[in-house]
Amino acid sequence: KQEVTQIPAALSVPEGENLVLNCSFTDSAIYNLQWFRQDPGKGLTSLLLIQSSQREQTSGRLNASLDKSSGRSTLYIAASQPGDSATYLCALNQAGTALIFGKGTTLSVSS
Amino acid sequence: EAGVAQSPRYKIIEKRQSVAFWCNPISGHATLYWYQQILGQGPKLLIQFQNNGVVDDSQLPKDRFSAERLKGVDSTLKIQPAKLEDSAVYLCASSWFGGADTQYFGPGTRLTVL
Repeated sequence: KQEVTQIPAALSVPEGENLVLNCSFTDSAIYNLQWFRQDPGKGLTSLLLIQSSQREQTSGRLNASLDKSSGRSTLYIAASQPGDSATYLCALNQAGTALIFGKGTTLSVSS
Repeated sequence: EAGVAQSPRYKIIEKRQSVAFWCNPISGHATLYWYQQILGQGPKLLIQFQNNGVVDDSQLPKDRFSAERLKGVDSTLKIQPAKLEDSAVYLCASSWFGGADTQYFGPGTRLTVL
């Protein structure tokens, strides 16, 4: 059974810092991996989607990497801003299943 | 393009009462999902529809939860009777074909059971 773990559960950083969020999974047989952002009281916004054949995806200040062999993905946020404060969720897509989510990392960026 | 719509946004009920949530997916999306997100957890799939047929309801507590998707468009999720542990955010998502397709999420309904 696939298990998705996100570390740390919470992170506080000052504005301007670069940071890394981690996601690990136990079964490497995945179609893709997605990083979502969730703001309080709102739904999920997809940030980046990495296909199983890809190593990384970039969007603006965000870069996500995928290493299937080690069962890991990282989300790198450059030059963090207070507006980046949110919960970040990692989710996997496998054959025959809907998305399998981790518990998320709650990020707080102080000005 | 209009997103996934859900209503109500918030609901507070007493335990043992009934409640229903509504979801309108993105037009043309064949696959619709209901997820339950308990505070501090990631979303967990409750049920997946392909058009108006059920693909996966293995994690749906069928003694109290029911869902339907009439005509393969809108969907309702019902809880009867509610328990304290049902307090959560209920998220609806839709995609074109399911499988590894991108899912688009609605804003969710926050349920509090007292």
